[in-house]
Amino acid sequence: NAGVTQTPKFRVLKTGQSMTLLCAQDMNHEYMYWYRQDPGMGLRLIHYSVGEGTTAKGEVPDGYNVSRLKKQNFLLGLESAAPSQTSVYFCASTGRWGVWPQHFGDGTRLSIL
Amino acid sequence: GQQVMQIPQYQHVQEGEDFTTYCNSSTTLSNIQWYKQRPGGHPVFLIQLVKSGEVKKQKRLTFQFGEAKKNSSLHITATQTTDVGTYFCAAARGAQKLVFGQGTRLTINP
Repeated sequence: NAGVTQTPKFRVLKTGQSMTLLCAQDMNHEYMYWYRQDPGMGLRLIHYSVGEGTTAKGEVPDGYNVSRLKKQNFLLGLESAAPSQTSVYFCASTGRWGVWPQHFGDGTRLSIL
Repeated sequence: GQQVMQIPQYQHVQEGEDFTTYCNSSTTLSNIQWYKQRPGGHPVFLIQLVKSGEVKKQKRLTFQFGEAKKNSSLHITATQTTDVGTYFCAAARGAQKLVFGQGTRLTINP
C-alpha cells in the first residue's frame, strides 16, 4: 500500500540545470497537487491537476511546469533551476474534493547551488 | 486571495503542559482541515471540521471551528514528547485547492 510516492528524495542541482520530479499515486485519485515548503512559510501551492490531462496554476507557479499525462502520475519540471527554488517539494493527492483529506508523499529535498 | 493566519509560529512547552494553536481567516470558511508534520516528515491529516461551532476530540486533542466559521483551534491536553512537530490548518480556497496556514512548531522539554 504505497500511497503517494515521490522520486527522487534528494537532489542537488547547479543553477541553470533542469530536472523533473515525479509523483505517483496508487489510490486512483483524481486530484493531485505540488507544494513547496520553506521555513516559516508553510506549504504553498505550485500547480495542481483535477484530472488526467488537466493542469492549473497555484499560488507560486513561476519557474515550474507540470504535466498529468496519466491519472496516477503528476510531474513537476524545473526548466532552469535557480537558487530561490531550493526547497522541500511535496506532492499530494485526494480522491474527492472537500470531503477527503490530502495524502502527501515523503517529499523531495532539492538544493540549487 | 484568501489568507489563513496561524498563531503562534513557535511554542515550547514542558511535557505535561497544554498547547493551543489558532487559525484565523478574514472570510468565512466552508471547512477547515488540520495536519501534523513530524520533523523531517510529511504532513499527515488529522481531522476536518465543517459545521459552525463544531467540536471534535481525538484522545488528548480537541479541535474547534468557530461559530462564524472564520477561526479554528487545536488544543492538546497534557503534551507528550510524541506530540512534537508542526501543526497546520488548511482551508478550502475556491474550488479544489487548499490554502495552508504558516504552521505552529511545537517543541517539548521532557
